Amino acid sequence: GESVGLHLPTLSVQEGDNSIINCAYSNSASDYFIWYKQESGKGPQFIIDIRSNMDKRQGQRVTVLLNKTVKHLSLQIAATQPGDSAVYFCAERGTGGFKTIFGAGTRLFVKA
Amino acid sequence: GAVVSQHPSWVICKSGTSVKIECRSLDFQATTMFWYRQFPKQSLMLMATSNEGSKATYEQGVEKDKFLINHASLTLSTLTVTSAHPEDSSFYICSARPTSSYEQFFGPGTRLTVL
Repeated sequence: GESVGLHLPTLSVQEGDNSIINCAYSNSASDYFIWYKQESGKGPQFIIDIRSNMDKRQGQRVTVLLNKTVKHLSLQIAATQPGDSAVYFCAERGTGGFKTIFGAGTRLFVKA
Repeated sequence: GAVVSQHPSWVICKSGTSVKIECRSLDFQATTMFWYRQFPKQSLMLMATSNEGSKATYEQGVEKDKFLINHASLTLSTLTVTSAHPEDSSFYICSARPTSSYEQFFGPGTRLTVL
């Protein structure tokens, strides 16, 4: 079945360093990928997305990389700040569908 | 814009009672809404897809008679947890997709605790 998973459950970084969060997906039919940030007790917050016809997309301090050959997705956060501390989920949607399937999540700790 | 609200934000109930959770799109019309459940330190698991004016589509393993979904208008979907038990305690999150859009917007979640 469809599944999206993560390599690392927790990540601890020093404030100011760059963070890289990884994700593997198994559904080769997925054509749209999203990264969400979730703070404790809140709903997911959209960070950045990428379509399967792209391999890189940049936002403000964030970059998403997509490697369809190995079904791998990553989120890079530049100059990580304490406010970036949260759980990060990758998610995917299949071709023509609207269901969003979430991966396992990575908790990011930013040390001051 | 694109705000989704949920009510209540938290609820505590006794075992055996039913609880209704509302999901509203405040500034847009949503043909489709989705309901997720999230247990502590776990990911969001899709429970069902709610389409306005039609029956909801449930994911495998989700009991449709226990989790009743009603999407009677383009701005409101409700999830009723019937005969709730302690194992139903969880964080319930909805999302809404604007008509003619590929985007989805998430609500703030509802914390359900069943005693």
